[in-house]
Amino acid sequence: DTAVSQTPKYLVTQMGNDKSIKCEQNLGHDTMYWYKQDSKKFLKIMFSYNNKELIINETVPNRFSPKSPDKAHLNLHINSLELGDSAVYFCASSHSLFVRQGDNYGYTFGSGTRLTVV
Amino acid sequence: AQSVTQPDIHITVSEGASLELRCNYSYGATPYLFWYVQSPGQGLQLLLKYFSGDTLVQGIKGFEAEFKRSQSSFNLRKPSVHWSDAAEYFCAVGARAGGTSYGKLTFGQGTILTVHP
Repeated sequence: DTAVSQTPKYLVTQMGNDKSIKCEQNLGHDTMYWYKQDSKKFLKIMFSYNNKELIINETVPNRFSPKSPDKAHLNLHINSLELGDSAVYFCASSHSLFVRQGDNYGYTFGSGTRLTVV
Repeated sequence: AQSVTQPDIHITVSEGASLELRCNYSYGATPYLFWYVQSPGQGLQLLLKYFSGDTLVQGIKGFEAEFKRSQSSFNLRKPSVHWSDAAEYFCAVGARAGGTSYGKLTFGQGTILTVHP
């Protein structure tokens, strides 16, 4: 069973469209994240949720709206897609919100969703 | 704010040679430090992490890293590189409990490793 699964793996869409990326983790983790990896491979956090509660929202445009129906799922909806949104989006989860020694801490990443806006 | 610098964008080594990938961090206290590897088209896999204690950390696939507080560094090493190690490597720093950065990892820009036969 895949620990953190994202769908779809590839997404090609036109400017102005609305699209969603889904993420599910079966690790029993409390915290989930969305990261964006740009064309230069730079990884930057977008959002984090802990037990369905939004914790981190890193200056992401309002067109991006995360939704966490339960702690095993964190979906990302993007409105009015722009060319600059083209990137690889990674979902990740961690055991807990705080990085604590003693936790088996470390993110588990999904395999990514490559979004191409044309 | 925490930050990570990986000075080498691209490193090429011959198979069997030793490897060192550099990572420097900026953080107000002792950080949590991580190395991840990303193979083409794949997600990121955790290689090793440092929380406290022994400053030499052993990871998977024969990798190790040494935390040097005086140099704010966490360099990744491997004594003998295999062709399958070709990938991109990311160093990351995590904030300790408390504050507004909890749970967040800040990544360096990555180092691409090419391995020649």
